[in-house]
Amino acid sequence: GDSVTQMEGPVTLSEEAFLTINCTYTATGYPSLFWYVQYPGEGLQLLLKATKADDKGSNKGFEATYRKETTSFHLEKGSVQVSDSAVYFCALSEGTGRRALTFGSGTRLQVQP
Amino acid sequence: NAGVTQTPKFQVLKTGQSMTLQCAQDMNHNSMYWYRQDPGMGLRLIYYSASEGTTDKGEVPNGYNVSRLNKREFSLRLESAAPSQTSVYFCASSEEGSANYGYTFGSGTRLTVV
Repeated sequence: GDSVTQMEGPVTLSEEAFLTINCTYTATGYPSLFWYVQYPGEGLQLLLKATKADDKGSNKGFEATYRKETTSFHLEKGSVQVSDSAVYFCALSEGTGRRALTFGSGTRLQVQP
Repeated sequence: NAGVTQTPKFQVLKTGQSMTLQCAQDMNHNSMYWYRQDPGMGLRLIYYSASEGTTDKGEVPNGYNVSRLNKREFSLRLESAAPSQTSVYFCASSEEGSANYGYTFGSGTRLTVV
């Protein structure tokens, strides 16, 4: 079945540091890929998405590129802020059948001033 | 701009008690989902409803039942709560066929079973 693997956290960075959170996936078809962010005490919010190979999703300074050859969708940001501290989830959707999301285990990011 | 509303936000149950978690969306979405979130395991799908009048099991359905009351509402019922059901529960909705658009989540229900 489908699965998503994320790097374990927590990831602790200083403000303005470069961020990479690795995500790889296993899927039988051609999934859509997503990054969601969860701030403390809140539900998940869609951060960015990519629907086909080589697409780049971007939002709020975050970027991720759909790499079919390496089955990866790594999240990057050039300069993190304290307000970026949250849990980040990589997810995929096959786009057929039940269309439910399959999530990774989440990566906690802590940004220190 | 309510989006997806879940009630209650917090609940403590004794083992064997029953309860229903409520979820309502005001975006006219066809599909609705229930997930549970456990530490180190991400979110796992319990049940989903592709459209009004249909429900299907997800990855971890045992111990739960659901009702799609109408297009807006999708409830999750625990008939006899167990400590293993201690978790944070999230409801979500999406437009039919909107895999490319992602999902809208509620703010969650934190359930503790003692």
